[in-house]
Amino acid sequence: DTEVTQTPKHLVMGMTNKKSLKCEQHMGHRAMYWYKQKAKKPPELMFVYSYEKLSINESVPSRFSPECPNSSLLNLHLHALQPEDSALYLCASSQGAENIQYFGAGTRLSVL
Amino acid sequence: AQSVTQLGSHVSVSEGALVLLRCNYSSSVPPYLFWYVQYPNQGLQLLLKYTTGATLVKGINGFEAEFKKSETSFHLTKPSAHMSDAAEYFCAQDTGGFKTIFGAGTRLFVKA
Repeated sequence: DTEVTQTPKHLVMGMTNKKSLKCEQHMGHRAMYWYKQKAKKPPELMFVYSYEKLSINESVPSRFSPECPNSSLLNLHLHALQPEDSALYLCASSQGAENIQYFGAGTRLSVL
Repeated sequence: AQSVTQLGSHVSVSEGALVLLRCNYSSSVPPYLFWYVQYPNQGLQLLLKYTTGATLVKGINGFEAEFKKSETSFHLTKPSAHMSDAAEYFCAQDTGGFKTIFGAGTRLFVKA
Protein backbone atom coordinates (compact mmCIF):
# COMPACT_ATOMS: atom_id res chain seq x y z
CA ASP A 1 0.00 0.00 0.00
CA THR A 2 1.69 3.20 -1.19
CA GLU A 3 -1.27 5.43 -0.65
CA VAL A 4 -1.60 8.69 1.21
CA THR A 5 -5.25 9.55 1.77
CA GLN A 6 -6.44 13.12 2.23
CA THR A 7 -9.88 14.30 3.26
CA PRO A 8 -11.87 16.20 2.28
CA LYS A 9 -11.09 16.52 -1.43
CA HIS A 10 -12.74 19.93 -1.59
CA LEU A 11 -13.44 22.49 1.12
CA VAL A 12 -15.09 25.88 0.98
CA MET A 13 -14.91 27.99 4.10
CA GLY A 14 -15.58 31.50 5.24
CA MET A 15 -12.97 33.67 6.84
CA THR A 16 -14.42 33.11 10.31
CA ASN A 17 -14.76 29.33 10.07
CA LYS A 18 -12.69 26.65 11.73
CA LYS A 19 -12.01 23.53 9.72
CA SER A 20 -9.49 20.70 9.59
CA LEU A 21 -7.72 18.83 6.83
CA LYS A 22 -6.82 15.20 7.43
CA CYS A 23 -4.10 12.96 6.07
CA GLU A 24 -3.48 9.27 6.65
CA GLN A 25 -0.80 6.82 5.55
CA HIS A 26 -0.19 3.19 6.44
CA MET A 27 3.25 2.72 4.92
CA GLY A 28 5.02 3.02 8.25
CA HIS A 29 6.67 6.27 7.18
CA ARG A 30 7.93 8.34 10.07
CA ALA A 31 8.07 11.70 8.29
CA MET A 32 4.94 13.53 7.18
CA TYR A 33 4.60 16.85 5.41
CA TRP A 34 2.13 19.59 4.59
CA TYR A 35 2.59 21.56 1.40
CA LYS A 36 0.64 24.45 -0.10
CA GLN A 37 0.40 24.64 -3.88
CA LYS A 38 -0.95 27.60 -5.79
CA ALA A 39 -2.02 27.24 -9.41
CA LYS A 40 0.83 26.77 -11.88
CA LYS A 41 3.41 26.76 -9.05
CA PRO A 42 5.47 24.05 -7.34
CA PRO A 43 4.52 22.87 -3.86
CA GLU A 44 5.71 25.06 -0.98
CA LEU A 45 6.70 23.31 2.21
CA MET A 46 4.72 24.33 5.29
CA PHE A 47 5.42 21.78 8.02
CA VAL A 48 7.32 18.55 8.57
CA TYR A 49 6.74 16.05 11.34
CA SER A 50 9.38 13.47 12.12
CA TYR A 51 8.54 10.70 14.57
CA GLU A 52 5.40 12.65 15.50
CA LYS A 53 7.37 15.74 16.50
CA LEU A 54 7.28 19.01 14.60
CA SER A 55 10.61 19.20 12.83
CA ILE A 56 10.15 22.07 10.40
CA ASN A 57 7.82 25.06 10.43
CA GLU A 58 8.48 27.26 7.43
CA SER A 59 7.30 30.44 9.14
CA VAL A 60 3.70 29.62 8.42
CA PRO A 61 1.06 32.02 9.86
CA SER A 62 -0.52 30.85 13.10
CA ARG A 63 -3.93 30.55 11.44
CA PHE A 64 -2.54 27.20 10.22
CA SER A 65 -2.00 24.74 13.07
CA PRO A 66 -0.60 21.26 12.40
CA GLU A 67 -1.14 18.23 14.58
CA CYS A 68 0.26 14.71 14.44
CA PRO A 69 -1.88 12.50 16.71
CA ASN A 70 0.05 9.33 15.82
CA SER A 71 2.50 7.98 13.28
CA SER A 72 -0.20 7.42 10.64
CA LEU A 73 -2.21 10.62 10.93
CA LEU A 74 -1.55 14.26 10.21
CA ASN A 75 -4.03 17.08 10.60
CA LEU A 76 -3.98 20.72 9.58
CA HIS A 77 -6.32 22.93 11.58
CA LEU A 78 -7.51 26.07 9.86
CA HIS A 79 -8.88 29.19 11.54
CA ALA A 80 -9.56 32.72 10.33
CA LEU A 81 -8.09 32.12 6.92
CA GLN A 82 -7.73 34.75 4.24
CA PRO A 83 -8.82 34.50 0.59
CA GLU A 84 -5.15 34.29 -0.44
CA ASP A 85 -4.94 31.01 1.48
CA SER A 86 -7.06 29.39 -1.21
CA ALA A 87 -4.89 26.67 -2.74
CA LEU A 88 -4.34 22.94 -3.08
CA TYR A 89 -3.02 21.53 0.20
CA LEU A 90 -0.92 18.43 -0.23
CA CYS A 91 0.13 15.91 2.36
CA ALA A 92 3.15 13.66 1.84
CA SER A 93 5.08 11.04 3.72
CA SER A 94 8.59 9.63 3.41
CA GLN A 95 11.00 7.18 4.92
CA GLY A 96 14.73 6.78 4.65
CA ALA A 97 17.69 8.89 3.66
CA GLU A 98 16.58 9.26 0.05
CA ASN A 99 13.52 11.19 1.21
CA ILE A 100 11.28 9.92 -1.58
CA GLN A 101 7.95 11.52 -0.89
CA TYR A 102 4.57 9.95 -1.48
CA PHE A 103 1.83 12.50 -2.00
CA GLY A 104 -1.88 12.46 -1.40
CA ALA A 105 -4.30 13.81 -3.99
CA GLY A 106 -4.71 17.00 -2.01
CA THR A 107 -7.51 19.11 -0.60
CA ARG A 108 -8.69 21.96 -2.80
CA LEU A 109 -9.43 24.81 -0.39
CA SER A 110 -11.42 27.90 -1.24
CA VAL A 111 -11.68 30.72 1.29
CA LEU A 112 -14.52 33.13 0.68
CA ALA B 1 21.50 28.60 -1.83
CA GLN B 2 20.60 25.40 -3.60
CA SER B 3 18.25 25.63 -6.55
CA VAL B 4 16.61 23.59 -9.28
CA THR B 5 16.04 25.17 -12.67
CA GLN B 6 13.67 23.78 -15.25
CA LEU B 7 14.15 25.26 -18.70
CA GLY B 8 10.84 26.00 -20.34
CA SER B 9 7.59 26.43 -18.45
CA HIS B 10 5.75 24.85 -21.39
CA VAL B 11 6.80 22.15 -23.84
CA SER B 12 4.62 21.01 -26.70
CA VAL B 13 5.26 17.84 -28.71
CA SER B 14 3.32 15.76 -31.19
CA GLU B 15 2.12 12.33 -30.26
CA GLY B 16 4.89 9.84 -31.00
CA ALA B 17 7.64 12.46 -30.85
CA LEU B 18 10.56 12.58 -28.43
CA VAL B 19 9.91 14.23 -25.08
CA LEU B 20 12.79 16.20 -23.54
CA LEU B 21 12.29 18.16 -20.33
CA ARG B 22 15.34 19.95 -19.02
CA CYS B 23 16.49 20.27 -15.44
CA ASN B 24 19.64 21.71 -13.90
CA TYR B 25 20.42 21.45 -10.22
CA SER B 26 22.84 23.25 -7.95
CA SER B 27 25.80 21.25 -6.85
CA SER B 28 25.38 19.22 -3.71
CA VAL B 29 26.93 16.12 -2.25
CA PRO B 30 25.18 13.79 -2.59
CA PRO B 31 22.58 15.03 -5.09
CA TYR B 32 19.44 13.03 -4.61
CA LEU B 33 17.37 13.99 -7.64
CA PHE B 34 13.79 13.24 -8.59
CA TRP B 35 11.24 13.79 -11.29
CA TYR B 36 7.61 13.98 -10.21
CA VAL B 37 4.52 14.18 -12.42
CA GLN B 38 1.27 15.89 -11.49
CA TYR B 39 -1.93 15.29 -13.39
CA PRO B 40 -4.77 17.82 -13.06
CA ASN B 41 -6.38 17.89 -9.63
CA GLN B 42 -4.03 15.25 -8.29
CA GLY B 43 -0.99 15.07 -6.07
CA LEU B 44 2.56 14.50 -7.24
CA GLN B 45 3.68 11.02 -8.27
CA LEU B 46 7.29 9.92 -8.40
CA LEU B 47 8.44 9.16 -11.95
CA LEU B 48 12.05 8.27 -11.18
CA LYS B 49 14.94 9.00 -8.87
CA TYR B 50 18.71 9.21 -8.87
CA THR B 51 20.56 8.51 -5.65
CA THR B 52 23.78 6.68 -6.41
CA GLY B 53 25.07 4.21 -8.98
CA ALA B 54 23.98 4.09 -12.62
CA THR B 55 23.62 7.54 -14.09
CA LEU B 56 20.85 6.53 -16.49
CA VAL B 57 17.75 5.84 -14.47
CA LYS B 58 14.53 4.40 -15.75
CA GLY B 59 11.15 5.27 -14.36
CA ILE B 60 7.52 4.53 -14.86
CA ASN B 61 5.57 5.06 -18.09
CA GLY B 62 8.66 4.75 -20.29
CA PHE B 63 10.46 7.81 -18.92
CA GLU B 64 14.16 7.91 -18.17
CA ALA B 65 16.66 10.52 -17.02
CA GLU B 66 20.41 10.84 -17.14
CA PHE B 67 22.43 12.30 -14.31
CA LYS B 68 25.36 14.33 -15.68
CA LYS B 69 27.50 15.65 -12.88
CA SER B 70 29.77 17.67 -15.19
CA GLU B 71 26.75 19.56 -16.49
CA THR B 72 24.76 19.50 -13.23
CA SER B 73 21.85 18.28 -15.32
CA PHE B 74 19.13 15.68 -14.90
CA HIS B 75 17.05 15.88 -18.08
CA LEU B 76 13.94 13.75 -18.49
CA THR B 77 13.25 11.96 -21.76
CA LYS B 78 10.74 9.62 -23.34
CA PRO B 79 11.24 8.29 -26.87
CA SER B 80 7.61 8.50 -27.95
CA ALA B 81 5.03 10.80 -26.39
CA HIS B 82 1.52 9.62 -25.66
CA MET B 83 -1.54 11.75 -25.12
CA SER B 84 -1.71 10.49 -21.54
CA ASP B 85 1.70 12.07 -20.83
CA ALA B 86 0.17 15.55 -20.82
CA ALA B 87 0.77 16.82 -17.29
CA GLU B 88 2.96 19.05 -15.14
CA TYR B 89 6.44 17.74 -14.47
CA PHE B 90 8.59 18.80 -11.53
CA CYS B 91 12.29 18.21 -11.13
CA ALA B 92 13.35 18.12 -7.48
CA GLN B 93 16.46 17.86 -5.36
CA ASP B 94 16.70 16.60 -1.83
CA THR B 95 18.72 18.95 0.34
CA GLY B 96 18.80 16.78 3.45
CA GLY B 97 16.88 17.34 6.63
CA PHE B 98 13.50 16.62 5.03
CA LYS B 99 13.65 19.58 2.64
CA THR B 100 13.12 19.07 -1.07
CA ILE B 101 13.66 21.86 -3.56
CA PHE B 102 11.25 21.76 -6.49
CA GLY B 103 11.79 23.36 -9.84
CA ALA B 104 9.13 25.69 -11.15
CA GLY B 105 7.60 22.93 -13.24
CA THR B 106 7.16 22.26 -16.95
CA ARG B 107 3.74 21.78 -18.49
CA LEU B 108 3.87 19.15 -21.22
CA PHE B 109 1.32 19.39 -24.01
CA VAL B 110 0.90 16.50 -26.44
CA LYS B 111 -0.73 17.21 -29.79
CA ALA B 112 -2.62 14.57 -31.71
